[in-house]
Amino acid sequence: QSVLTQPPSVSAAPGQKVTISCSGSSSNLGNNYVSWYQQLPGTAPKLLIYDNNKRPSGIPDRYSGSKSGTSATLGITGLQTGDEADYYCGTWDSSLRAVVFGGGTSLTVL
Amino acid sequence: QVQLQESGPGLVKPSETLSLTCTVSAGSISTYYWNWIRQPPGKPLEWIGYVDYRRSANYNPSLKSRVTISIDTSKKQFSLRLNSVTAADTAFYYCAREGSGWGFDFWSQGILVTVSS
Repeated sequence: QSVLTQPPSVSAAPGQKVTISCSGSSSNLGNNYVSWYQQLPGTAPKLLIYDNNKRPSGIPDRYSGSKSGTSATLGITGLQTGDEADYYCGTWDSSLRAVVFGGGTSLTVL
Repeated sequence: QVQLQESGPGLVKPSETLSLTCTVSAGSISTYYWNWIRQPPGKPLEWIGYVDYRRSANYNPSLKSRVTISIDTSKKQFSLRLNSVTAADTAFYYCAREGSGWGFDFWSQGILVTVSS
């Protein structure tokens, strides 16, 4: 059971928009930044969003992040088949004194 | 562009010690937190811990009794030791740099370590 809660799967058609939620508590998302990662099959995770809503160099603006209270959301617009992957949220948990991740969300582009 | 490459055995016997090393290239190791993260096949990511250039380390409480992460700044390497392994420690092991706000901006390709006799 992961500390952060994500939906196991989401799906949408090519060209559409999808959002992935990440729910936590005051000890993690409520008081710390959230990051989002994309993991394509058989590869290492890749940072998409850090500090709640910032994109590393090279990450297109189709990806966006937001956070409100103890929940965070990753948005992906203009879906492409290449976006099919697992997506993870992560943050620091001040009570556990550990980095915690969500259980991951599998995105299917129909 | 920072690159990380892990090395170590892909097979470890139960009750023995898992040892991996991560080499950092094209960047300074004397800043940031350097982390180990693992992922059992088909399961989510699990943070193991970090070390910084001052050799200060912090570990996941669930693994703390069995984990040691060390650093050698002269070789630009940091290492993981996990004692008393069981089949539950079978996973892909990644080394990663924490860039900002606990976002891991650079990752190694990952190494599958299997615990089996």
